[in-house]
Amino acid sequence: KQEVTQIPAALSVPEGENLVLNCSFTDSAIYNLQWFRQDPGKGLTSLLLIQSSQREQTSGRLNASLDKSSGRSTLYIAASQPGDSATYLCAVTLGDMRFGAGTRLTVKP
Amino acid sequence: NAGVTQTPKFQVLKTGQSMTLQCAQDMNHNSMYWYRQDPGMGLRLIYYSASEGTTDKGEVPNGYNVSRLNKREFSLRLESAAPSQTSVYFCASSDLLPGTGGDEQYFGPGTRLTVT
Repeated sequence: KQEVTQIPAALSVPEGENLVLNCSFTDSAIYNLQWFRQDPGKGLTSLLLIQSSQREQTSGRLNASLDKSSGRSTLYIAASQPGDSATYLCAVTLGDMRFGAGTRLTVKP
Repeated sequence: NAGVTQTPKFQVLKTGQSMTLQCAQDMNHNSMYWYRQDPGMGLRLIYYSASEGTTDKGEVPNGYNVSRLNKREFSLRLESAAPSQTSVYFCASSDLLPGTGGDEQYFGPGTRLTVT
């Protein structure tokens, strides 16, 4: 059974800092990995989708990498802003989609 | 273009009561999904529908039923609610099933359900 783990569960940083969120998964035979953002009381917004054949994807200040062989992905956020405060979830697809529990990010002004 | 919409946004039920959560998407997607989100556990798939007229069980289907009414609408029914079903329920849609092309899933805003 695919297990997805996100560490840390919560992270607080000052504005302007670069940061890395981690996601690990137990079965490396995935089709893709997706990073989502969830604001309190809201649904999920897709940030980046990395296909299994890709190593990374970039969107603005966000960069996600994928290392299938080691079962890891990272989401890099450059020059963090208070508006980046949210919970970030990763999900891997192998048959169905399995989610991590998320990292709750707080960016302090 | 509203994307994925869900009703109601909030609901309180008593144990044993029944209710149906509604979901609709206007993106002409083939596949639709129901998830539940519990604190510290991430999202878990309850049921999905690969296309109109088909439904399949996900990771946690017990206590739920679904109906794919047409291509746009996918409903989730709790026949006899239990306190363990207190959760936030999300509906999602995508053009392709996971594992058949790696399509993005788009999520609704969620329904917060409390069973007392």
